[in-house]
Amino acid sequence: GQQLNQSPQSMFIQEGEDVSMNCTSSSIFNTWLWYKQDPGEGPVLLIALYKAGELTSNGRLTAQFGITRKDSFLNISASIPSDVGIYFCAGRRGGSQGNLIFGKGTKLSVKP
Amino acid sequence: EAGVAQSPRYKIIEKRQSVAFWCNPISGHATLYWYQQILGQGPKLLIQFQNNGVVDDSQLPKDRFSAERLKGVDSTLKIQPAKLEDSAVYLCASTSGGETQYFGPGTRLLVL
Repeated sequence: GQQLNQSPQSMFIQEGEDVSMNCTSSSIFNTWLWYKQDPGEGPVLLIALYKAGELTSNGRLTAQFGITRKDSFLNISASIPSDVGIYFCAGRRGGSQGNLIFGKGTKLSVKP
Repeated sequence: EAGVAQSPRYKIIEKRQSVAFWCNPISGHATLYWYQQILGQGPKLLIQFQNNGVVDDSQLPKDRFSAERLKGVDSTLKIQPAKLEDSAVYLCASTSGGETQYFGPGTRLLVL
């Protein structure tokens, strides 16, 4: 089935540092989404991107929809301990009700 | 507003046994999804309902998995008989038609 390649798989950073993660696909998507999942909980939507080249921010989070429509990245600035969790990218080809394809996740751990 | 409710939160069964999971979506949400999340992976869509009709069940292993949403509100997902590889978190999500899928906390299934 369709695969999204998400990297890095995991990362440790110092509090206050910036962090970047990205997602690539062999296929084109119409929508890119970024989710965060805390232990024992379901994923929560952070940012949604709808147009190639779009750059969107949500507080300390910034995400971009790649020009080729086959990739996306997420940046977190000035990380804090509560940023710990697993971040997933997800792509969608169709409309808002279409099937989401998720990446394998990037596990973020912050050293206080 | 109450979130997506799922029960049970945890279930341990032996292989070849049957198991059922229940989901109560956010009130008024017409679209309901069941996902399977294997440890270390992102969620994978099993089935999507629009009201009480199936929109997409292409990735549902129909020889052992079944799901229903008879009145267009609550939904149940059943596995019969379970295999070892069915050990995973089963997530339910709902949406009113917008971009955001609201996920429940999931049911953690361990098949021994």
